[in-house]
Amino acid sequence: DVKVTQSSRYLVKRTGEKVFLECVQDMDHENMFWYRQDPGLGLRLIYFSYDVKMKEKGDIPEGYSVSREKKERFSLILESASTNQTSMYLCASSRIRLNTEAFFGQGTRLTVV
Amino acid sequence: ILNVEQSPQSLHVQEGDSTNFTCSFPSSNFYALHWYRWETAKSPEALFVMTLNGDEKKKGRISATLNTKEGYSYLYIKGSQPEDSATYLCAFDTDDKIIFGKGTRLHILP
Repeated sequence: DVKVTQSSRYLVKRTGEKVFLECVQDMDHENMFWYRQDPGLGLRLIYFSYDVKMKEKGDIPEGYSVSREKKERFSLILESASTNQTSMYLCASSRIRLNTEAFFGQGTRLTVV
Repeated sequence: ILNVEQSPQSLHVQEGDSTNFTCSFPSSNFYALHWYRWETAKSPEALFVMTLNGDEKKKGRISATLNTKEGYSYLYIKGSQPEDSATYLCAFDTDDKIIFGKGTRLHILP
């Protein structure tokens, strides 16, 4: 059973804090993605990675960075959390291109106060 | 920014009725088109991944078609059931990233 695990379901952080969201997948997938989901805006791609130490900006990378030191782990970092980063964050992984679907984690609902 | 449009945004369907909704995507840099079902409090789960123009895929009462030349895909649900209530997401796959539409929120009325 494919598993993508995000470290927290719910997180409350203060403005200005550095926040780490962790994602681990156990299927040896090459590709990993971070999305955020906001009402009326759907899933928007923040960053993605297709290999260890590789990262690419998605559509809304501002205020975020990522780290992929190991194949199974993809971390999203909010350098200085702001209230407009309150959102649901979803991690996904997929195999390198062979027409395969993405598998999602359960999501982390982050509230920045 | 690649634009993936889904319509309608929201849909109410009587139980037992059939329905369909649309995903529009760029016709260039196409690699694959994905459909996902996202139920409340769960993670999105893949329904189909389609790559070829004219592709049709079916899973039980749900089916999808693909037109890559004109950039659209339809998702059909036959004989809607309460468990079909969910948000249906399509995603445009450009071979290095997957871009999602905003989804169609389907409500099945008893």
